[in-house]
Amino acid sequence: QKEVEQDPGPLSVPEGAIVSLNCTYSNSAFQYFMWYRQYSRKGPELLMYTYSSGNKEDGRFTAQVDKSSKYISLFIRDSQPSDSATYLCAMSEPGNQFYFGTGTSLTVIP
Amino acid sequence: EPEVTQTPSHQVTQMGQEVILRCVPISNHLYFYWYRQILGQKVEFLVSFYNNEISEKSEIFDDQFSVERPDGSNFTLKIRSTKLEDSAMYFCASQQEMNTEAFFGQGTRLTVV
Repeated sequence: QKEVEQDPGPLSVPEGAIVSLNCTYSNSAFQYFMWYRQYSRKGPELLMYTYSSGNKEDGRFTAQVDKSSKYISLFIRDSQPSDSATYLCAMSEPGNQFYFGTGTSLTVIP
Repeated sequence: EPEVTQTPSHQVTQMGQEVILRCVPISNHLYFYWYRQILGQKVEFLVSFYNNEISEKSEIFDDQFSVERPDGSNFTLKIRSTKLEDSAMYFCASQQEMNTEAFFGQGTRLTVV
């Protein structure tokens, strides 16, 4: 089973809050993990790409991968109204297609 | 910044008609993909393409679908006889190398009537 589970939300936070977005998965062979941001009727925009377990930080975004728990997270610090979008997690085995979560809809309220 | 471009942005077609969706991947990328997203549902894998041949395809990618890289820049998805259930956003993606970041285009919204 290669399901990727993601809470669809919607998630609503005040501006400046820390946002935590999460995905779980069942396939222990997944090694590559991505977070995408998708605005309505637009293509997924790559935010973060990580390999195996660990943390990766890029500006206000931090991606965490815990392979032992089959759990990945994306943290957004100092959230802004422009962060309002749907956030998709995606993951893959080496050399294979990406499997996406359903996406979490985020609204940051000014 | 290099980007994946897709045309048209929106295509309306009658059931049973053939459609061709076009993509121009990032120029030095070698791996190409088509995904689709039915409204309100997950992004689903259709097909991957490398070295001028299909490397992997999903159950969705049946005999009605085909892909082609007719020249050095374009990557196309053809649906031979469209069905109502083919209505979706179709996304093209490309990677420079296997197991690296994948970049998506803005998508083509296909509406079959």
